[in-house]
Amino acid sequence: DTGVSQDPRHKITKRGQNVTFRCDPISEHNRLYWYRQTLGQGPEFLTYFQNEAQLEKSRLLSDRFSAERPKGSFSTLEIQRTEQGDSAMYLCALRVGTGTGYTFGSGTRLTVV
Amino acid sequence: RKEVEQDPGPFNVPEGATVAFNCTYSNSASQSFFWYRQDCRKEPKLLMSVYSSGNEDGRFTAQLNRASQYISLLIRDSKLSDSATYLCVVIQNRDDKIIFGKGTRLHILP
Repeated sequence: DTGVSQDPRHKITKRGQNVTFRCDPISEHNRLYWYRQTLGQGPEFLTYFQNEAQLEKSRLLSDRFSAERPKGSFSTLEIQRTEQGDSAMYLCALRVGTGTGYTFGSGTRLTVV
Repeated sequence: RKEVEQDPGPFNVPEGATVAFNCTYSNSASQSFFWYRQDCRKEPKLLMSVYSSGNEDGRFTAQLNRASQYISLLIRDSKLSDSATYLCVVIQNRDDKIIFGKGTRLHILP
């Protein structure tokens, strides 16, 4: 149990389709982060929320990407008109305490065919 | 210059040997440092925090050198189960954003 649930675990979609991922923290956390990881690379920052406010977006987050955290608890990440380059693992992370590290969900592995 | 740099490896090390990884970071204002471990097709998991005074946890020792802006991880008496990718993590406390290195792959050979 990582403290963060992500759904779905795997998603295969055709190019051009829209997909939505969900991240559910098991307990309350103010800050929630989304990362993307491609093969052979470390996770790359996409965006983060302080409660329901989206405070920063990476330049990696093109106009086709949108993230929400409507009630300051769970978060969704939507990709519109998917491209093959969107194939990656999408990770949600929470900070577990001041001065400590972060805990990650199991991720959603997206394959665009 | 990348914010966090690591040698991607792979490091192929016989079981029982000692192996060390280094990681450099570019932002001198960085405040918090960690090593994460990631197994194939799994999420990253916190291995240990890194302090200037050093941090030891069993066979693992992590060290921070602020003057030279590098972080190290030493694994003694390596086990087959240590085979994984080790990610260097830097946090710039301004927004708590985590910056990852690309990771160093370690293969422990029987």
